[in-house]
Amino acid sequence: EVQLVESGGGLVQPGGSLRLSCVGSGFIFSDHWMGWARQAPGKGLEWVGNMNEDGSEIHYVDDVKGRFTMSRDNAKSTVFLQMNSLRGEDTAVYYCARESPWRSDYWGQGTLVTVSS
Amino acid sequence: DIQLTQSPSFLSASVGDRVTITCRASQVINNFLVWCQQKPGKAPKLLIYHASTLQSGVPSRFSGSRSGTEFTLTISSLQPEDFATYYCQQFDSYPHTFGQGTKLEIK
Repeated sequence: EVQLVESGGGLVQPGGSLRLSCVGSGFIFSDHWMGWARQAPGKGLEWVGNMNEDGSEIHYVDDVKGRFTMSRDNAKSTVFLQMNSLRGEDTAVYYCARESPWRSDYWGQGTLVTVSS
Repeated sequence: DIQLTQSPSFLSASVGDRVTITCRASQVINNFLVWCQQKPGKAPKLLIYHASTLQSGVPSRFSGSRSGTEFTLTISSLQPEDFATYYCQQFDSYPHTFGQGTKLEIK
């Protein structure tokens, strides 16, 4: 059974940093692109970024470019989202997703990030 | 960026009804569009990919189609568990944008 489990969310002050992790199991992690999306409270889904199987190709939505960095450790079946210079509008539930060609086919349960003083 | 506009934003229907949700893309995106379902407090769930291919395990009452830049999700006979919010998302070009969502409520 494919499972994705995010962790690392919490309360952080504006301008602060947080590192999210997502551990995958039940599939060959190194065979898949991995992605992140977020959902602000009461709002819709927003795509954040994705990366290819070995981490050599990464894409971000413009709003997080230069502030967020994706990485992965295939030996640990884990993908990371390093978030710096956090703003109030980054407050959201962050989901990781496994990608197969042209789709996100499995999603984690999400981790809440709250940016507030 | 490619914009996806869903209609309607809210839909009230009854168990057994046939419902249709539309997603219009701002430019041609071929068939690289998916539909997902999200229930309150839960992760999204993939329903349809490549515009019309049913994800494994998804009931056959769900179907998708495309006409030009307009994509449609149809639920042939609503079941109680189908009341949720539905999103379209494109994988044609970056960023992989979502539609704004359609909330399907019980009438």
